[in-house]
Amino acid sequence: QSVLTQPPSASGTPGQRVTISCSGSSSNIGKNTFHWYQQLPGTAPRLLIYNNYQRPSGVPDRFSGSKSGTSASLAISGLQSEDEADYYCGAWDDSLNGQVFGTGTKVTVL
Amino acid sequence: QVQLVQSGSELKKPGASVKVSCKASGYTFTDHAMNWVRQAPGQGLEWMGWINTNTGIPRYGQGFTGRFVISLDTSVSTAYLQISSRKAEDTAVYYCARGSGPTGTRGDYWGQGTLVTVSS
Repeated sequence: QSVLTQPPSASGTPGQRVTISCSGSSSNIGKNTFHWYQQLPGTAPRLLIYNNYQRPSGVPDRFSGSKSGTSASLAISGLQSEDEADYYCGAWDDSLNGQVFGTGTKVTVL
Repeated sequence: QVQLVQSGSELKKPGASVKVSCKASGYTFTDHAMNWVRQAPGQGLEWMGWINTNTGIPRYGQGFTGRFVISLDTSVSTAYLQISSRKAEDTAVYYCARGSGPTGTRGDYWGQGTLVTVSS
């Protein structure tokens, strides 16, 4: 059972901006850094954003992360067809003493 | 470059054990923890636990104690996940993910995944 809540789906046309939310609590996002992962169909997840807003090398700057209180957000600007994937947030949870993931959001490019 | 190569798919009967391997290359194995993540068919990601590659001490997430054992062999830069007394609900893809540091639980590089199917 996930303790981080995401909308099940999001969509946009090419070039649009799409935002995905990740709602947590004071024991995870409210207190610790969070991360975002992208999972293309049939592949392993890859790290997209770490420590709230930092991008690993090779990740386009179209992807950005932000935080407000106990919630995190991932924004994809200039949406492209290759962005069609599942996106998961993740963070350490002090109460559970473990890593927790969000419920996942499927992004569709119309 | 960093690579995590996992063992191949497994089809096992309920009650048997399976051991999934994850061989690392392209970095110093003991500089980074190794995490394991489960993904049931059509479902999201679940963090199973991690192992400190310096001490060999594993830590398990909620719901993953007892039948699950994380271990490693530093001589061959390989981490292992063993699942005992498997049940149908263990059918899933299992991923190893390199931690961001010696005790990191953020997966900065991932293996390709190993499909474990439990069926009679």
